[in-house]
Amino acid sequence: EDKVVQSPLSLVVHEGDTVTLNCSYEVTNFRSLLWYKQEKKAPTFLFMLTSSGIEKKSGRLSSILDKKELFSILNITATQTGDSAVYLCASQVFRFKNYGGSQGNLIFGKGTKLSVKP
Amino acid sequence: NAGVTQTPKFRVLKTGQSMTLLCAQDMNHEYMYWYRQDPGMGLRLIHYSVGEGTTAKGEVPDGYNVSRLKKQNFLLGLESAAPSQTSVYFCASSYTSGGNTGELFFGEGSRLTVL
Repeated sequence: EDKVVQSPLSLVVHEGDTVTLNCSYEVTNFRSLLWYKQEKKAPTFLFMLTSSGIEKKSGRLSSILDKKELFSILNITATQTGDSAVYLCASQVFRFKNYGGSQGNLIFGKGTKLSVKP
Repeated sequence: NAGVTQTPKFRVLKTGQSMTLLCAQDMNHEYMYWYRQDPGMGLRLIHYSVGEGTTAKGEVPDGYNVSRLKKQNFLLGLESAAPSQTSVYFCASSYTSGGNTGELFFGEGSRLTVL
């Protein structure tokens, strides 16, 4: 059975701290690993990773994938209260086919709830 | 642009009642999805559609039906609601252009309570 496991499930830090969120996956037909940020409502896309060892960066957030060890990390440096959210990791797999092509489906982890205190 | 819009945003039902959640997207996306999100369970795929007139089952399809009569709309129906269907429902859509990029665009969610 495909699964995606995130750790820790929750984390409380103070502004200015650096945090590392973990995501491990065991899936068949892996295609990519995605990170989303979910505040009060809809998840919003952060990163998509397909290749090992290549860091993706956006401001204070960065992420990297290790396809050999089957995990990814999301780093947030100099955290701010606005970083408080649930961070979702998802593995995209080839699961269903239609119209002559294979298309991916996303398997989500349970999320890490990050709370940043002033 | 509106993006992905879900209606209603909140609903309370009694056991056995039926209802339909509507999802509309204005991005001309081929793919649309319905997820449910429960505490401690993450997002789980209920049904999805890879184009107008097509639907397929996801991980947790039991008790739900869907229809995609128009490309921009994806409806999720509960024929006989049960308390186990109390959840937050998210609709999402994605591009297709020679391959799925993986990025989903989510609606803001619909909170459903079944008493």
